[in-house]
Amino acid sequence: GDSVTQMEGPVTLSEEAFLTINCTYTATGYPSLFWYVQYPGEGLQLLLKATKADDKGSNKGFEATYRKETTSFHLEKGSVQVSDSAVYFCALVPNSGNTPLVFGKGTRLSVIA
Amino acid sequence: EADIYQTPRYLVIGTGKKITLECSQTMGHDKMYWYQQDPGMELHLIHYSYGVNSTEKGDLSSESTVSRIRTEHFPLTLESARPSHTSQYLCASSPTSGYNEQFFGPGTRLTVL
Repeated sequence: GDSVTQMEGPVTLSEEAFLTINCTYTATGYPSLFWYVQYPGEGLQLLLKATKADDKGSNKGFEATYRKETTSFHLEKGSVQVSDSAVYFCALVPNSGNTPLVFGKGTRLSVIA
Repeated sequence: EADIYQTPRYLVIGTGKKITLECSQTMGHDKMYWYQQDPGMELHLIHYSYGVNSTEKGDLSSESTVSRIRTEHFPLTLESARPSHTSQYLCASSPTSGYNEQFFGPGTRLTVL
């Protein structure tokens, strides 16, 4: 079945460091890919998405590129801030679109000043 | 403003009590979901619905039940709460068309003593 694998955390970085959170997926066809963020005490928010190969999603300084050849959708940010401390989830929906999102297990990021 | 609401945000209750967690959305979405989030952050789909009078069980076996009598309302009920039900419960919705991205409520943190 469809699945998402993301790097295990926790990840601890100093402010202004470069961030990469790896995400790879297994799916048939051409799924749509998402990154969600969950701040402490809140629900999940959509951070960015990409719906076809080579698309780049971006938002709030975060970027991720849909790489079909490596079945990956790694999240990157050039300079993290303390306010980026949160849990990040990679997710996909199969190209049929008629099934719930498949989520990775989440990666906790802590940014220290 | 279109949004998704969950009440209560926090609930502490004794073993054996019947409880209902409320979820409502004003986004006009047909699809709605319930997730249980464990302390390790992983999300587990427990129920979903693709429209009025349609409900399905998710990947994680749950002793809870749901109903979908109105499009905007998707309550989750536990007939007899147990300490093993202690968790964070997240409700989400998504449109029928588009890329099936999901929008999440703020969550209900349930503690069963």
